[in-house]
Amino acid sequence: DVKVTQSSRYLVKRTGEKVFLECVQDMDHENMFWYRQDPGLGLRLIYFSYDVKMKEKGDIPEGYSVSREKKERFSLILESASTNQTSMYLCASGSKGVYYEQYFGPGTRLTVT
Amino acid sequence: RKEVEQDPGPFNVPEGATVAFNCTYSNSASQSFFWYRQDCRKEPKLLMSVYSSGNEDGRFTAQLNRASQYISLLIRDSKLSDSATYLCVVPPGTYKYIFGTGTRLKVLA
Repeated sequence: DVKVTQSSRYLVKRTGEKVFLECVQDMDHENMFWYRQDPGLGLRLIYFSYDVKMKEKGDIPEGYSVSREKKERFSLILESASTNQTSMYLCASGSKGVYYEQYFGPGTRLTVT
Repeated sequence: RKEVEQDPGPFNVPEGATVAFNCTYSNSASQSFFWYRQDCRKEPKLLMSVYSSGNEDGRFTAQLNRASQYISLLIRDSKLSDSATYLCVVPPGTYKYIFGTGTRLKVLA
């Protein structure tokens, strides 16, 4: 079974703090993704990576950055957290190819106060 | 037109009923389609993949209608445990997934 883990299930941070969310997958997948999910808006792609050190912006990259130094690990960084970044953050991984499937981690519920 | 559209529901059905959801998509180039199930405050989990005309797995059947650009999910003999939100996913042929906002199902005892 594919396993995707995220560093925290719940996180509370203050406005202006730097926040690191980490995701690790154990299936040797090339692709990794960071989404946020908000009520009524569904899942929105923040960033994705198709290889080590490679990254592409998703639909809502503003206020976020990412790092992928190792194939199994993909980090999401909030340089200066703001209250509008309070959300559920979901990491996913998937193999390369047109017919790929994505597998999600358990999510991190981040609250910025 | 939205890239992926789903009726948000909720669909309230009694146990044992058959229920179907549709999902319409706008990108005719999409080759693969997925249904995910998401329980409250949990991550989405892959339910079914659809690569050709359809797929069946036990009580669940997914069908693809390319001419009308929609996919459907049929659940037979609904169980209480089927209560969840069902997300339709349409990759447009790149790395990205396009998610529908989901259809909420409540199965009632």
